[in-house]
Amino acid sequence: KQEVTQIPAALSVPEGENLVLNCSFTDSAIYNLQWFRQDPGKGLTSLLLIQSSQREQTSGRLNASLDKSSGRSTLYIAASQPGDSATYLCAVASNTGKLIFGQGTTLQVKP
Amino acid sequence: DAGVTQSPTHLIKTRGQQVTLRCSPKSGHDTVSWYQQALGQGPQFIFQYYEEEERQRGNFPDRFSGHQFPNYSSELNVNALLLGDSALYLCASSLVGTQDYEQYFGPGTRLTVT
Repeated sequence: KQEVTQIPAALSVPEGENLVLNCSFTDSAIYNLQWFRQDPGKGLTSLLLIQSSQREQTSGRLNASLDKSSGRSTLYIAASQPGDSATYLCAVASNTGKLIFGQGTTLQVKP
Repeated sequence: DAGVTQSPTHLIKTRGQQVTLRCSPKSGHDTVSWYQQALGQGPQFIFQYYEEEERQRGNFPDRFSGHQFPNYSSELNVNALLLGDSALYLCASSLVGTQDYEQYFGPGTRLTVT
């Protein structure tokens, strides 16, 4: 049974810091891995999708890496801003599109 | 290009009642999945609909049922509501056969059961 774990559960950093969010999964047979952002009480916004054959994806200040063999992914946020404050969710997908989520990391960036 | 839409935004029901939530997928998408997100938790997969049939199902009781219409929109029905059904219900759409199989989420429906 696939399980996804995110560490840390919460993180508070001063503005401008670079930070890394971690995601681990127990079964390496994944189709892809997605990172999402969720603002309080809102839906999910897709940030990055990494195919199982890829090692990393970049979008602006965000970089996500994937190591299937070790069951790990990281989301790197450069030069954090207060507007980055949100919950970040990692999810692994099967080949049918079913997503299994971690519990998320709640990020607070202080001005 | 319209994204995923859900209605209603918020809903308050009493234990034992029944509720129907609605989802319209992103334009061009043919698959709809439903997720339940309890407060402070990650979303949990309920089921997925493709070609108007339930394609796969998560670990949810039969009180949770759904439907997909010919225009690909979908409904989630929950019968005999329990307090524990209070959650944010998220709908996601995707397109079968695409390389990415990326999921696009709607804003969710907040269900409160009293």
